[in-house]
Amino acid sequence: KAGVTQTPRYLIKTRGQQVTLSCSPISGHRSVSWYQQTPGQGLQFLFEYFSETQRNKGNFPGRFSGRQFSNSRSEMNVSTLELGDSALYLCASSSGVGGGTDTQYFGPGTRLTVL
Amino acid sequence: AQSVTQLGSHVSVSEGALVLLRCNYSSSVPPYLFWYVQYPNQGLQLLLKYTSAATLVKGINGFEAEFKKSETSFHLTKPSAHMSDAAEYFCAVTISGNTPLVFGKGTRLSVIA
Repeated sequence: KAGVTQTPRYLIKTRGQQVTLSCSPISGHRSVSWYQQTPGQGLQFLFEYFSETQRNKGNFPGRFSGRQFSNSRSEMNVSTLELGDSALYLCASSSGVGGGTDTQYFGPGTRLTVL
Repeated sequence: AQSVTQLGSHVSVSEGALVLLRCNYSSSVPPYLFWYVQYPNQGLQLLLKYTSAATLVKGINGFEAEFKKSETSFHLTKPSAHMSDAAEYFCAVTISGNTPLVFGKGTRLSVIA
């Protein structure tokens, strides 16, 4: 079974631009979560989508948004980029049904650099 | 709210020595606990997870962890370190399979030949 895929793997943008990152979950998984990883703040939860609905949201400004499509693929968008948005953005997929059997599996990440 | 504390941002061991990475958690309800490993320029790979079935959990690559409720700990161990174990290790907690993971700050493991 194919794992979680993320595209692109690397991005370089300038301040003020916007960016869209894509995540394809493991086949059959309906939940997609996004995390931001930086050296200073570590791994922080952005949001989670389940069956095309945002189910959980972290403490990030409204410049960070996401969506999920009917095939469970997800995109996240960051508008008006700031230098501090430079990070590794990780996507994780799971069945989303909860309980002890549910586990998040991570993709390789998208490395975003804002200049 | 849940939280995770990983003691030691950097641990260095000799090849063949015991690996011990410490994780303490805080949760108001019975938690699910995870250890993930991250190699350079890669995502997170699941090592093992605790879901209340057994307190001693065995994972991949010879790692195991023991859940100790009285100590609110979930330390990761491996009897004999290998050079390929050099990576960053993250402990994470959640209260349900469909709620966000809360991660510790990570511990970077170095293995010396």
